[in-house]
Amino acid sequence: GAVVSQHPSRVICKSGTSVKIECRSLDFQATTMFWYRQFPKQSLMLMATSNEGSKATYEQGVEKDKFLINHASLTLSTLTVTSAHPEDSSFYICSARRQRTGEKLFFGSGTQLSVL
Amino acid sequence: QKEVEQNSGPLSVPEGAIASLNCTYSDRVSQSFFWYRQYSGKSPELIMSIYSNGDKEDGRFTAQLNKASQYVSLLIRDSQPSDSATYLCAVNEFSGGYNKLIFGAGTRLAVHP
Repeated sequence: GAVVSQHPSRVICKSGTSVKIECRSLDFQATTMFWYRQFPKQSLMLMATSNEGSKATYEQGVEKDKFLINHASLTLSTLTVTSAHPEDSSFYICSARRQRTGEKLFFGSGTQLSVL
Repeated sequence: QKEVEQNSGPLSVPEGAIASLNCTYSDRVSQSFFWYRQYSGKSPELIMSIYSNGDKEDGRFTAQLNKASQYVSLLIRDSQPSDSATYLCAVNEFSGGYNKLIFGAGTRLAVHP
């Protein structure tokens, strides 16, 4: 199956710092990637759709100036949480859709962010 | 964003029994439905996809779809303790020019020996 690599797997940082999370599709090109956030015992909430070569599309209620998304190439999307605060602590998961597999999503392994 | 509803559980079944997980969705035009399994602290993994009304079987798993009732379910036969996880129902929604997967809150399944 398709492989999506996500790094880092765990981040602990001080309040006010910025954190960058990388998502790579290892064996396929992903024109579109998706970023989800999951709080404990809650579902995955779509934050934004990342588009190669253009601006990301953010879901309602997601601050685009706080969650910066860059999709620099067909295999790499990054999410930067700027000036992180404790309420940003969450599990962040990226995913990508591979052509010719319909609408199935392949997920990265997730990043657990803890802001002190 | 349309809604996907699941009973949060926990659903507790004995080993060897059939576990039945249910999901309803609000977007009538959705055509693609998925069941994902998620272990604690891990990302979701795809178990089944279903696109047509009726049943679809894959090993111990059977997905059932009823578009008229906007209902999709997952049956797990011969449940094993290793099946204990949270099961997420996901529905495809076309919005803003993209096909997006919208997830339910998940049902926690506990299979006890």
